[in-house]
Amino acid sequence: AQSVTQLDSQVPVFEEAPVELRCNYSSSVSVYLFWYVQYPNQGLQLLLKYLSGSTLVKGINGFEAEFNKSQTSFHLRKPSVHISDTAEYFCAVSRKAAGNKLTFGGGTRVLVKP
Amino acid sequence: DTEVTQTPKHLVMGMTNKKSLKCEQHMGHRAMYWYKQKAKKPPELMFVYSYEKLSINESVPSRFSPECPNSSLLNLHLHALQPEDSALYLCASSQDGGQGEINTEAFFGQGTRLTVV
Repeated sequence: AQSVTQLDSQVPVFEEAPVELRCNYSSSVSVYLFWYVQYPNQGLQLLLKYLSGSTLVKGINGFEAEFNKSQTSFHLRKPSVHISDTAEYFCAVSRKAAGNKLTFGGGTRVLVKP
Repeated sequence: DTEVTQTPKHLVMGMTNKKSLKCEQHMGHRAMYWYKQKAKKPPELMFVYSYEKLSINESVPSRFSPECPNSSLLNLHLHALQPEDSALYLCASSQDGGQGEINTEAFFGQGTRLTVV
């Protein structure tokens, strides 16, 4: 079984400042990693994913994440946030041959202040 | 078309009612999912359908009954729910249908917000 830990439940940040959301996972087998964003009263939208290859992954809306196998981490970063980035962010893992069963972290609420 | 469409968007039902949630996708995905999300919590997997067959049931109570009539449609039938079943119900689909296939991301619908009174 795999598990995901998002180390920060809330991250307040000022507009145009950088933000980093931390995600650590544990699994006995290789996993695929995802970051999803959920805006209020909405479903989940994929920001980026790591399946294989380059450990630095670029996603939509200026987000990027780095896969670190030795530290079992997949932290999400954005160099300059906008008010519109206020949302809940979920890190998730799945493993091959598991029917794409996603295991989510607890979520990090990002509040961007003007 | 990269959308997963869920209807209705909101639903209020009594504990003795029978209702259904509907989900549709036209991306040719062969795996479809139901997730339940309580307020301020991550989504929790309920069911997975792979090639129209139920492949995962995460010990969900029988008052929730999934149905996959074809590869584009997924229903969740509700009967005799409890107030604690009030939540956002999310449908998702993905390209892979099971073991041995390359894993790809799941596409989520906007959800149905269910209130049981």
